[in-house]
Amino acid sequence: EVQLVESGGGLVQPGGSLRLSCEASGFNFRDYVMTWVRQAPGKGLEWVSVISGSALSTYHADSVKGRFSISRDNSKNTVYLQMNKLKVEDTAVYYCAKDALSNAGRLRGYYFDYWGQGSLVTVSS
Amino acid sequence: DIQMTQSPSSLSASVGDRVSITCQAGQDIRKSLNWYQQKPGKAPKVLIYDASNLETDVPPRFSGRGSGTDFTLIINGLQPEDIATYYCQQFDDLPITFGQGTRLEIK
Repeated sequence: EVQLVESGGGLVQPGGSLRLSCEASGFNFRDYVMTWVRQAPGKGLEWVSVISGSALSTYHADSVKGRFSISRDNSKNTVYLQMNKLKVEDTAVYYCAKDALSNAGRLRGYYFDYWGQGSLVTVSS
Repeated sequence: DIQMTQSPSSLSASVGDRVSITCQAGQDIRKSLNWYQQKPGKAPKVLIYDASNLETDVPPRFSGRGSGTDFTLIINGLQPEDIATYYCQQFDDLPITFGQGTRLEIK
């Protein structure tokens, strides 16, 4: 059974940092592109960052570029989102998501077939 | 960035109705379009991928059609459990973009 379990969310002050983790199980983790998607309270879905299975390629939304960094440790079946210089507008539930296509060879992926339960990040003074 | 525009933003329908939600892409995205359903407090769930392919275990009352810039999600025979917000998502190019969502309510 595929499972994605996020952790690391919480309350942080503007300008602070936080690292989210997403531990995966039930599939060959290194073969799949992994993505972070966020959802501000009462708002829609916003794609944030993506990383290839090899970790050699990443891409970030303009709204987080230069502040957030995605990485993965395939030996731990875990993908991370390092969030620096946090802003109030970064407040959201952050989901990690697995791409449906193994060895996709492209960061734009296919579709998200499994999602984590979400981790709430609140940026407030 | 490819802009995705959904309509309507909210919709109220009766059990048994046929419901249509449209999604328009800002440029030709071929068939690189997915539909997700999200219930309150839950993660999204894929319904349709590649514009018209039904994901495993999704009820056949859900269907999708379209290509290029215009896409439609159809629910044939609305059920009470279909109360949710629906999102389209393009994967033709990075950054991935979602529509703003359509909130579906039961009359």
